[in-house]
Formats: sequence, structure tokens, C-alpha cells
Amino acid sequence: QKEVEQNSGPLSVPEGAIASLNCTYSDRGSQSFFWYRQYSGKSPELIMSIYSNGDKEDGRFTAQLNKASQYVSLLIRDSQPSDSATYLCAVNSLLTTSGTYKYIFGTGTRLKVLA
Amino acid sequence: DGGITQSPKYLFRKEGQNVTLSCEQNLNHDAMYWYRQDPGQGLRLIYYSQIVNDFQKGDIAEGYSVSREKKESFPLTVTSAQKNPTAFYLCASSIDRRSWGNEQFFGPGTRLTVL
Repeated sequence: QKEVEQNSGPLSVPEGAIASLNCTYSDRGSQSFFWYRQYSGKSPELIMSIYSNGDKEDGRFTAQLNKASQYVSLLIRDSQPSDSATYLCAVNSLLTTSGTYKYIFGTGTRLKVLA
Repeated sequence: DGGITQSPKYLFRKEGQNVTLSCEQNLNHDAMYWYRQDPGQGLRLIYYSQIVNDFQKGDIAEGYSVSREKKESFPLTVTSAQKNPTAFYLCASSIDRRSWGNEQFFGPGTRLTVL
């Protein structure tokens, strides 16, 4: 079983619509969650971090976290063609043997915003 | 400007050759990481380092080696023992791997191709 799961897509939405990207994780003890945007051929760029249940908004982006359901999502309002990219979900989980944390990445969802 | 630099951007390796990828950061981060990304796959952790002169194997360390002689620098050597080295290599850093809020930031990446 994968530890962080995302639908690979592509998710196609028309320009101006809301894009909804989803991610589930298996470690119930995970404490922090991150969304990265990765354009083709480029490195991942951190766009949102969320640590507590509920919604966190930053401009056109809203991250939603539900720890009981082990589910984190990213909403992009007023989607633009420039939002077309792969969106990676990352979960930071505690390694009890070392007391340090490990980032676990999903494989990403490819978003296509159609003009 | 603070950030992470990687060089070279593109690298070509012949069979049986060792190559070294450079990673430098001026963010004053303690922790540094190397990931490998293959098409259609998530990021896989090769090595990480929490402090100078200390580093640990990640999930796919075989055929790779690293050093951490300075806080700012974390070079990765891809040895001839790595049988399938063609991939996109990403270096990242974070303030402290022991922190649960541990945001990771990425360099621009090095694309390695075996000839």
C-alpha cells in the first residue's frame, strides 16, 4: 500500500473554474502536510503548508486538511492556464526509531487548465 | 538572494564513470537532502544529512555516495555501481529535520543522462 496517494490525472478544468486536487495518506500520526507545484522539466516549488484541521487560504489557493479521514486537498480558484502543472502532495511523518521526520511524496496529479 | 543552487543543469555520463553533482545553499539550513525523480514516479530519497560530517542513507542509496564537510554544501556522487542512473536529481534543504513543521525547499535540479 502506498503511503501517500494521488490520482495521476490529467485533471482538466476550463479557465476560471475551481480545480480540486486530492491526496490521502496512510500514517495516522502525520503532523504536517505540503503542496508543491512542479512545472514540466522544473523542480518542485512549495505553494502551501497546512498543519491543523480545516482550511488555510493563500490567494487563489486553499488547502484543506481532515486528519480523521487522512485526507488533504488543494483548491485552486479562478484557474489559469499558467496553473497547468503537476501538483505533488507531501506528508511529514515521525520516524519513531530516530525521532526525526521523513517527507513522503505522492506521485503527483497533472492539472491542465484549458483556455 | 537566499536559495539553493545545483550544477550542472545537464550532465552526461559514460558507462563505468563516476560523476559528482553539486548542491549549495545559503539559507543557513541544517538539513539537506538528495532525491531522484523518474518519469511518472514520485520523489525517492537517496541520502540526507542533518548536520556537518553526518549523513544517512535514504530509500535508494545503493550506487550513490555523499559528503557533508560544510553546512552549505552537500555533493552527490553517482558511482559506476548505480546501474540505472538516468534521472532528474533534486537537492533540497530544510531548517531542521527534527522539526515537525519542516518545510523543504528545492534547488533547480540536475538532469543526468547515461550515454
